[in-house]
Amino acid sequence: AQSVTQLGSHVSVSEGALVLLRCNYSSSVPPYLFWYVQYPNQGLQLLLKYTSAATLVKGINGFEAEFKKSETSFHLTKPSAHMSDAAEYFCAVSPPSASKIIFGSGTRLSIRP
Amino acid sequence: GAGVSQSPSNKVTEKGKDVELRCDPISGHTALYWYRQSLGQGLEFLIYFQGNSAPDKSGLPSDRFSAERTGGSVSTLTIQRTQQEDSAVYLCASSLFQDQPQHFGDGTRLSIL
Repeated sequence: AQSVTQLGSHVSVSEGALVLLRCNYSSSVPPYLFWYVQYPNQGLQLLLKYTSAATLVKGINGFEAEFKKSETSFHLTKPSAHMSDAAEYFCAVSPPSASKIIFGSGTRLSIRP
Repeated sequence: GAGVSQSPSNKVTEKGKDVELRCDPISGHTALYWYRQSLGQGLEFLIYFQGNSAPDKSGLPSDRFSAERTGGSVSTLTIQRTQQEDSAVYLCASSLFQDQPQHFGDGTRLSIL
């Protein structure tokens, strides 16, 4: 079975500071991993995905995530936060052959001026 | 645009009424998903359609919920005899194939009075 845990339902950082959103997964097979972002009153947009190629994945808007098998983690980072990054972020896991993606409960990112 | 389209964007109805939510996926996408997002919660998988295969209904919370996908394109999620706990945002997503990144619509916000 697959599951994903996002540590911290709410993260607040100052503009220009490092963003780190944590995600740990559980999977019985090598998983596909995703980060999605949801802006207010909108659907989810794909930020980046890991599908067993390079372990460091670069996504849109300057975000990146590193797959660490030994730690079963897929944390999302951005070197310098921008006000427009304020949103809800979801980590998700899926075995390659699965029919559905399992989403974490989300982390709300707030940016302080 | 060419994205996933959901209608209506907002629906308010009385407890006990039936509602229908519509999803127009991206043209050519064979996979279609419905999720429910309750206030402050993550995404709860409801149902998945892949081509002409039998749908994966494992996430439907009760027999009041049903969905169909006509002609491999448009999908309708029906909730019968609505209850207040059905109030949520219902999100639809489509992907080119199973295990490809999902593209989300903006959702239907359902409020049961």
